[in-house]
Amino acid sequence: DAMVIQNPRYQVTQFGKPVTLSCSQTLNHNVMYWYQQKSSQAPKLLFHYYDKDFNNEADTPDNFQSRRPNTSFCFLDIRSPGLGDAAMYLCATRDVGGQYNEQFFGPGTRLTVL
Amino acid sequence: AQSVTQLGSHVSVSEGALVLLRCNYSSSVPPYLFWYVQYPNQGLQLLLKYTTGATLVKGINGFEAEFKKSETSFHLTKPSAHMSDAAEYFCAVSFSGGYNKLIFGAGTRLAVHP
Repeated sequence: DAMVIQNPRYQVTQFGKPVTLSCSQTLNHNVMYWYQQKSSQAPKLLFHYYDKDFNNEADTPDNFQSRRPNTSFCFLDIRSPGLGDAAMYLCATRDVGGQYNEQFFGPGTRLTVL
Repeated sequence: AQSVTQLGSHVSVSEGALVLLRCNYSSSVPPYLFWYVQYPNQGLQLLLKYTTGATLVKGINGFEAEFKKSETSFHLTKPSAHMSDAAEYFCAVSFSGGYNKLIFGAGTRLAVHP
């Protein structure tokens, strides 16, 4: 089945230690999104890629970076995680040529910062 | 500015009772409307969507929603709640053009008790 895969599902890191979260997709969608979701809150868009074009949300901290080496993969890098960065990180994809603007979400990676 | 309001951060129903989760949006252009469900430590799963056409939309797991333009609402209903429906539900809107950013409501946590 075509899908959005996130690895790992659970990630523990130390305060200030860089961490990378991974997202891959078999849907061949041209847009990939990264969301941050803190406890009991709605997902908050961090940035997205339209093919190789990177689009940062205005309020996304510089501590968060992203890479998309090819259509299938997208990475979220947190350069110096703080305690406030502990959250669920969700990857989503969308087909620009699709009919309904639907985003397809992965299962998420829960990040714990010690 | 576009926004989504979900009335009631917590809703509790008895098993077998009607489920009604409320969603209102504000927008100056026709929106695409979505309901997502999120189980603990999981990603978002699409329940149903409205784009154009029939205003009563049926989704998975027995859920349906009706788009009422005059009321700018997209309430989610299910005739008979099941224990497995306990989860967080998010209403979201997007618009054609731009990068089709999803704007989420704050979410409603549904509890189902025996």
